[in-house]
Amino acid sequence: SQQGEEDPQALSIQEGENATMNCSYKTSINNLQWYRQNSGRGLVHLILIRSNEREKHSGRLRVTLDTSKKSSSLLITASRAADTASYFCAAMNRDDKIIFGKGTRLHILP
Amino acid sequence: NAGVTQTPKFQVLKTGQSMTLQCAQDMNHEYMSWYRQDPGMGLRLIHYSVGAGITDQGEVPNGYNVSRSTTEDFPLRLLSAAPSQTSVYFCASSPTGTSGEQFFGPGTRLTVL
Repeated sequence: SQQGEEDPQALSIQEGENATMNCSYKTSINNLQWYRQNSGRGLVHLILIRSNEREKHSGRLRVTLDTSKKSSSLLITASRAADTASYFCAAMNRDDKIIFGKGTRLHILP
Repeated sequence: NAGVTQTPKFQVLKTGQSMTLQCAQDMNHEYMSWYRQDPGMGLRLIHYSVGAGITDQGEVPNGYNVSRSTTEDFPLRLLSAAPSQTSVYFCASSPTGTSGEQFFGPGTRLTVL
């Protein structure tokens, strides 16, 4: 079964608005990562948050991690058309396995 | 650096045929992995390797073989292709295993008729 589960499955927002995606996982992790995938392309790494961190920022991205709830969220502020993509969380298990979620499809409306 | 390269980009097979998907990286990464991506299923780990000569199974290993004779190459072999193996396959590598960023190849789109 999938370790990471994103919510929502799809999200459409107006350009300039903020987008929030959530991820839940099931077992203990070393870290959790977020990736972006543009249509027909490979995945691109966005941000990594370690299990002992609670919040991390990178440009317009903000990631939080709550290990007690086994959940993480990705916030994209001031969205742009170029942010249209699928976003995946990836939970890094302590046995060297990486489990990806099913992804959130984000569509930025002009 | 070319990063992670995959060949071919597209492949059509008939049921029962065998083939090898190639993956190579020029970043001297120890950790490499193979995923398949199906609509609505996200990415699922097939096999992974923590270094040359060491491989292990992921979430969906059945029907696939891997070997890691060099640090650079991590081929994925389909022994007897089945329509259920129609998917997009991604190879990834990392210098620090699961503790760091994964670098992905562009993918191979495989169709099994």
